[in-house]
Amino acid sequence: EAGVTQFPSHSVIEKGQTVTLRCDPISGHDNLYWYRRVMGKEIKFLLHFVKESKQDESGMPNNRFLAERTGGTYSTLKVQPAELEDSGVYFCASSHLGLAGGGSVDEQFFGPGTRLTVL
Amino acid sequence: GNSVTQMEGPVTLSEEAFLTINCTYTATGYPSLFWYVQYPGEGLQLLLKATKADDKGSNKGFEATYRKETTSFHLEKGSVQVSDSAVYFCALRGISGGYNKLIFGAGTRLAVHP
Repeated sequence: EAGVTQFPSHSVIEKGQTVTLRCDPISGHDNLYWYRRVMGKEIKFLLHFVKESKQDESGMPNNRFLAERTGGTYSTLKVQPAELEDSGVYFCASSHLGLAGGGSVDEQFFGPGTRLTVL
Repeated sequence: GNSVTQMEGPVTLSEEAFLTINCTYTATGYPSLFWYVQYPGEGLQLLLKATKADDKGSNKGFEATYRKETTSFHLEKGSVQVSDSAVYFCALRGISGGYNKLIFGAGTRLAVHP
């Protein structure tokens, strides 16, 4: 079974440019998450899709970030325009649609991340 | 709100030394607790987990016990190997309000030397 894949692995762009990150979850996983680690700090949640719907986008930092998951398969995260503080590692994770509260803990499987550097 | 605090690194040990990485949390109710590991050049991997108080998660010689009274989930290993060199993240998953999202600590880098 293929794992979660992310593309590109690295991206270096200049401030003001646009970058699009892609995540392909494990086949059959309805849950898809985006997280980011900035400057060696904690990994922070950005948003959560259930199939093609945004379940929770409370972690999105501002309206320069746009996430989509058309068709409920792969997802893209676009940053436009990029700022210096957007530099970091962006992780994607996916999981089965587990039971809510008290049921099974659906393990999240993570991709290798995309390292974004904004100059 | 929910949060996780783990000891700052880097932690540098000799092979076969005993490892402890401290992790404490703040959360309402009874969250599930996790340790993830990131080896160089790879993504995060689930190392172990515990879903209720006094549960002990274990994997690959690593252990952590869910301590409700001290709100802790310290990671331990009796004898580390060079191959354990990685970054370790403690995390929790809440039970309400966006229950699926993981809340991570800042990570602790472990370097094991022969």
